[in-house]
Amino acid sequence: SQQGEEDPQALSIQEGENATMNCSYKTSINNLQWYRQNSGRGLVHLILIRSNEREKHSGRLRVTLDTSKKSSSLLITASRAADTASYFCATVVTGTYKYIFGTGTRLKVLA
Amino acid sequence: EPEVTQTPSHQVTQMGQEVILRCVPISNHLYFYWYRQILGQKVEFLVSFYNNEISEKSEIFDDQFSVERPDGSNFTLKIRSTKLEDSAMYFCASKFPETQYFGPGTRLLVL
Repeated sequence: SQQGEEDPQALSIQEGENATMNCSYKTSINNLQWYRQNSGRGLVHLILIRSNEREKHSGRLRVTLDTSKKSSSLLITASRAADTASYFCATVVTGTYKYIFGTGTRLKVLA
Repeated sequence: EPEVTQTPSHQVTQMGQEVILRCVPISNHLYFYWYRQILGQKVEFLVSFYNNEISEKSEIFDDQFSVERPDGSNFTLKIRSTKLEDSAMYFCASKFPETQYFGPGTRLLVL
């Protein structure tokens, strides 16, 4: 498997429901970041969690990090149609300047 | 709010031609990046740049690619002799202190 694999690949939910996306990685990391990408557009940084943190909140977003399992999850609560986008995790391998992006989860929120 | 800008938004070129993609990072940022995203695929790291030199590059960033910060403002990616498989969205990003800010991208089509 690759550094930065996400599941599910696609997720379709109703407005108001929660959406959970998972990311797994392989190497030691400094931090892990989540980004949103609307179709054909640039990436927008959502939240950063450091390797010594376990959970972080930002508005309707909740991110967890389990370094023992090399995995992270992004929870979007009370989803809205405007949350429809692709979501990517990105890791910085310890000792490098290289960001590795996951394969992404395509989220569709139905009104 | 300051943002990363990229020009052109779209570029069509013939195979074998040279292209230069331009980026203006956010002014007080010190780290700069280029990424590419082939349609429908994940974002791939190309190169990171700090203190006027390349700090890291990926396997994709071969001798056909070069980067430059010619005037303290612009950050350019040059592809010397384009191939069909170079067709992709190219994103520039700048970072401060740990968050990357992405530009809107340049869509490159090589015919």
